[in-house]
Amino acid sequence: AQSVSQHNHHVILSEAASLELGCNYSYGGTVNLFWYVQYPGQHLQLLLKYFSGDPLVKGIKGFEAEFIKSKFSFNLRKPSVQWSDTAEYFCAVNALSSASKIIFGSGTRLSIRP
Amino acid sequence: EAGVTQFPSHSVIEKGQTVTLRCDPISGHDNLYWYRRVMGKEIKFLLHFVKESKQDESGMPNNRFLAERTGGTYSTLKVQPAELEDSGVYFCASSQDIGGWGEQYFGPGTRLTVT
Repeated sequence: AQSVSQHNHHVILSEAASLELGCNYSYGGTVNLFWYVQYPGQHLQLLLKYFSGDPLVKGIKGFEAEFIKSKFSFNLRKPSVQWSDTAEYFCAVNALSSASKIIFGSGTRLSIRP
Repeated sequence: EAGVTQFPSHSVIEKGQTVTLRCDPISGHDNLYWYRRVMGKEIKFLLHFVKESKQDESGMPNNRFLAERTGGTYSTLKVQPAELEDSGVYFCASSQDIGGWGEQYFGPGTRLTVT
């Protein structure tokens, strides 16, 4: 069965630190990859997505992610985090063979110390 | 353009009662999805409508859950009778891509608490 693994349940960083959140998925076919974010009290919103083309994708608020097909990974990065990045981050996969459903990881809660 | 809306934002009911959640997708989006996140777990797919037809309902947990999308516009998700383990946040999403392949736009969710 398809699955998405996020390596960290809770990450705590200081402002200006660099961030990398790990994500691996288990599926061998064509996929779309996403990172969603849920800020406190707000709804899920798309941070960035990979459909095809350049495996390094840039999203909103200075986030980027790199698709490494050989490693089935789609790690999220940001060179310098801000307090406002405090949120829960979800990696997700949408596989061509099961076009309807998005499979989510369990989420990583990011806390930024001011 | 209005986003996906859900009603109510929060519902508290007793075990055995019935609750109906509503989702209004983005206008023109034929694809509508329901997802659920129970406490501390991942967000899980429940089902997918294309217009008024159920395309995939493989994620529906049991027959206490009934989803409808009459007329292919808004959708309702009814839980009858509710059990304690049904507590969680129910998300709705919509997409205009053919076959649902692509970006889905999520609503704010309905937090359901069953006591």
